[in-house]
Amino acid sequence: DAGVIQSPRHEVTEMGQEVTLRCKPISGHDYLFWYRQTMMRGLELLIYFNNNVPIDDSGMPEDRFSAKMPNASFSTLKIQPSEPRDSAVYFCASSLRSRTTDTQYFGPGTRLTVL
Amino acid sequence: AQSVTQPDIHITVSEGASLELRCNYSYGATPYLFWYVQSPGQGLQLLLKYFSGDTLVQGIKGFEAEFKRSQSSFNLRKPSVHWSDAAEYFCAVGVGTASKLTFGTGTRLQVTL
Repeated sequence: DAGVIQSPRHEVTEMGQEVTLRCKPISGHDYLFWYRQTMMRGLELLIYFNNNVPIDDSGMPEDRFSAKMPNASFSTLKIQPSEPRDSAVYFCASSLRSRTTDTQYFGPGTRLTVL
Repeated sequence: AQSVTQPDIHITVSEGASLELRCNYSYGATPYLFWYVQSPGQGLQLLLKYFSGDTLVQGIKGFEAEFKRSQSSFNLRKPSVHWSDAAEYFCAVGVGTASKLTFGTGTRLQVTL
């Protein structure tokens, strides 16, 4: 299995531009999570999906952030318009819910820099 | 709401020495507990997890952790550290139907030769 795949690995953009981050979860997993990691706030859960349906988006910082999961193998996190304070590493993770295990597997992350 | 405390921001140990990284959690019931490791520029890799049963959990790379309910702790240990263990270590607690994870702030481990 290739694991969780994220693209791009690095993104540099200017303030005000739209940014789209992409994630392909592990095949067969039914949960998908988006996290943000910064020095100041550590790892924060932004949103998660179950069977492609958003379950909890309480961690999304503001309306400039949106996430979609059109099918079981693809999700996007979009920032529009982007701001310098959005600079962070964004991780996608997926998991398979079962009675005995509930482990999240993380992708390599996308390092976003907003100038 | 649940929370996780990793009191040590940075730890330095010599190669071959033993290691213990501390983790304390706050949650009203028995949580799911995890330790992840993050190497520079990489994603998080699961080291081990506790769901139920034996309170001493074995993980990958020679790591183990012990769940102590009375102390609300889940400390990570390794008897002999290798230089390749230098990384950042995160403790996390999972609750709810999707094991929604709350992470600690991490402990950066430096290994001296």
